[in-house]
Amino acid sequence: EIMLTQSPATLSVSPGERATLSCTASQSLKSNLAWYQQRPGQAPRLLIFGASTRATGVPVRFSGSGSGTEFTLTISSLQSEDSAIYYCQQYNIWPGITFGQGTRLEIK
Amino acid sequence: EVQLVESGGDLVQPGGSLRLSCAVSGFTFTDYAMYWVRQAPGKGLEWISYIGSRGSPIFYKDSVKGRFTISRDVAKNSLFLQMNSLRAEDTAVYYCARKGLNHDAMDVWGQGATVTVSS
Repeated sequence: EIMLTQSPATLSVSPGERATLSCTASQSLKSNLAWYQQRPGQAPRLLIFGASTRATGVPVRFSGSGSGTEFTLTISSLQSEDSAIYYCQQYNIWPGITFGQGTRLEIK
Repeated sequence: EVQLVESGGDLVQPGGSLRLSCAVSGFTFTDYAMYWVRQAPGKGLEWISYIGSRGSPIFYKDSVKGRFTISRDVAKNSLFLQMNSLRAEDTAVYYCARKGLNHDAMDVWGQGATVTVSS
């Protein structure tokens, strides 16, 4: 099973600033990685697929980068509604989709 | 509007059975593969099952293989998860999710159905 390690576990950033979230895979994923946002009490929402492609309706302040084993989700100009848990997910190995443990993003 | 609506969540005793449903609308059901994903209380996300757009292939996570059965009914525009021999560790919110057309990520999610396994 591919392990995904997200860092940091918790991130606290002020409104208007930038947040950088990392996801490291135990083996190469090529670009088969997605990022999801889960606000409290809500279902997850797809933000990024293919490591860097924004899903429909996702604001341009969300961007993804990386390939292989190192991936980054960057949220520029943070807003209060960005407070959530963010999960990375790999779909390179079938069957056996796995998620990271999540990064909790707090807006100060 | 694209929608996935789960139902069937309940409190069930260990060893019991439950069937979850996911009614879909707003898109052509037979064009899309589907997933079930669960989230234990206070924990992260866990993929548990996949079904292809026409009913195959089917995959399960090892921890539910032999106990859970995924299926879909085109006439009812619905996805199902039959859960047997339930254990306390199956307690979770269960989400159905749609696979993207050109990628394997989960592009639309339902609101979730709560399953509690307890005596």
